[in-house]
Amino acid sequence: DAKTTQPNSMESNEEEPVHLPCNHSTISGTDYIHWYRQLPSQGPEYVIHGLTSNVNNRMASLAIAEDRKSSTLILHRATLRDAAVYYCLSGTYKYIFGTGTRLKVLA
Amino acid sequence: GAVVSQHPSWVICKSGTSVKIECRSLDFQATTMFWYRQFPKQSLMLMATSNEGSKATYEQGVEKDKFLINHASLTLSTLTVTSAHPEDSSFYICSVAGAESEQYFGPGTRLTVT
Repeated sequence: DAKTTQPNSMESNEEEPVHLPCNHSTISGTDYIHWYRQLPSQGPEYVIHGLTSNVNNRMASLAIAEDRKSSTLILHRATLRDAAVYYCLSGTYKYIFGTGTRLKVLA
Repeated sequence: GAVVSQHPSWVICKSGTSVKIECRSLDFQATTMFWYRQFPKQSLMLMATSNEGSKATYEQGVEKDKFLINHASLTLSTLTVTSAHPEDSSFYICSVAGAESEQYFGPGTRLTVT
């Protein structure tokens, strides 16, 4: 499965939008892009996934580059509860978890 | 998405004993489940892929005789850590595979071996 690259950490102010980037330059044509987040001592929580088109759900939006080599998870209004480690993954089931992006939300 | 539970949420056992962890898919028929472990301040590492009615597939470096996986029904997979030792202390997490290769994770089980 394709390896992804994310910044180690990001900060955001509460109630402001957050754009979390991810590079997946080796993604294959049929691989979905998945985003999860994890709070301490909890299992990862599904956030959103997509293939080619941008996706929206109640938690976030996923913007996928036209060449699919990168994507951006958008949290429209960050809250303190959004502080977590965000993982971007691509591939078919056998995930290779990287270190993710630790999002800090400032009150 | 699927709702996944794990039991127990935490367990302490003595070195040399075996521990069974259950993973249940509450509202989804799970043909495929996955088991991960996560050491403190590290990321998740895939241990094995569990397919209903067949033998699990283990990742390189994971001892299949030590980590026994059974997936006898579409709603239950179990992981048994046999002859546990302190180095097996970890956070064990299961997940259920969705239709588009997404996964739905359980809350995790904290195992401490003394």
